[in-house]
Amino acid sequence: DAGITQSPRHKVTETGTPVTLRCHQTENHRYMYWYRQDPGHGLRLIHYSYGVKDTDKGEVSDGYSVSRSKTEDFLLTLESATSSQTSVYFCAISGKGYYGYTFGSGTRLTVV
Amino acid sequence: QQPVQSPQAVILREGEDAVINCSSSKALYSVHWYRQKHGEAPVFLMILLKGGEQKGHEKISASFNEKKQQSSLYLTASQLSYSGTYFCGTEAGAGSYQLTFGKGTKLSVIP
Repeated sequence: DAGITQSPRHKVTETGTPVTLRCHQTENHRYMYWYRQDPGHGLRLIHYSYGVKDTDKGEVSDGYSVSRSKTEDFLLTLESATSSQTSVYFCAISGKGYYGYTFGSGTRLTVV
Repeated sequence: QQPVQSPQAVILREGEDAVINCSSSKALYSVHWYRQKHGEAPVFLMILLKGGEQKGHEKISASFNEKKQQSSLYLTASQLSYSGTYFCGTEAGAGSYQLTFGKGTKLSVIP
C-alpha cells in the first residue's frame, strides 16, 4: 500500500556505465520528482515532471536525464556514472493543490 | 538557493520544547516541513501557505512570517519519537510545485 516504490533499493556500479533508477506510483499524481541526498547538502532537486512527457531540470541536473512515458513511471538515468554521483536518490510525488510530498524509500547508489 | 536552517543540531530531554528556524532570501509562497529518521524516507509534517493557512499535527506547530521570509517549527513536550532530522522545503512561486530544501536540523531527544 506504499503508493510509491523505487527500484532497485541498492546498486553498485562501475564508473562509466549507464544506470537507470525507476520510480513507480499508484496514486495517479501529476507531479513527480527526483532528489539526491548527500551528507551536509540535504535534499537537492535533480529533475521533475509535471505530466507525461513534461519534464524540467532542477538545480543539480548535469549528468542526469529523465523520462516519463506513463503517469505512473518516472525514470532517472545516469548516462555515464561517476563517483560524484554516489548518493541516496529519492523519488517523490505530489498531487495538485497544496499537499505534502510523499517520498519513496530511496535508492542507495554506489559508483566505484 | 537553499533556505538556511538553524540550529544545525539540538539535543533535548523528554518533555522539553524546541524551535527550528528556516529562512530564505527569496520571497516565499509556501513552506513545508518534513522529518526523516535515520535510514528512512522524509515524512511530511505540515505546510504553511502565504496568507497564514496552516495544517499540522498535535504538539508540532509552525509559523510563517511572510515579511521576513521565515518559518519556525515548534515542538512541544518532546517525545523520544521526535528524534530525527527536520527539513524545511520552500516554494518560491504559486503553482511552481517545486521545493528547495534546507540542509536539515538534527534533533535528538534523550530520556
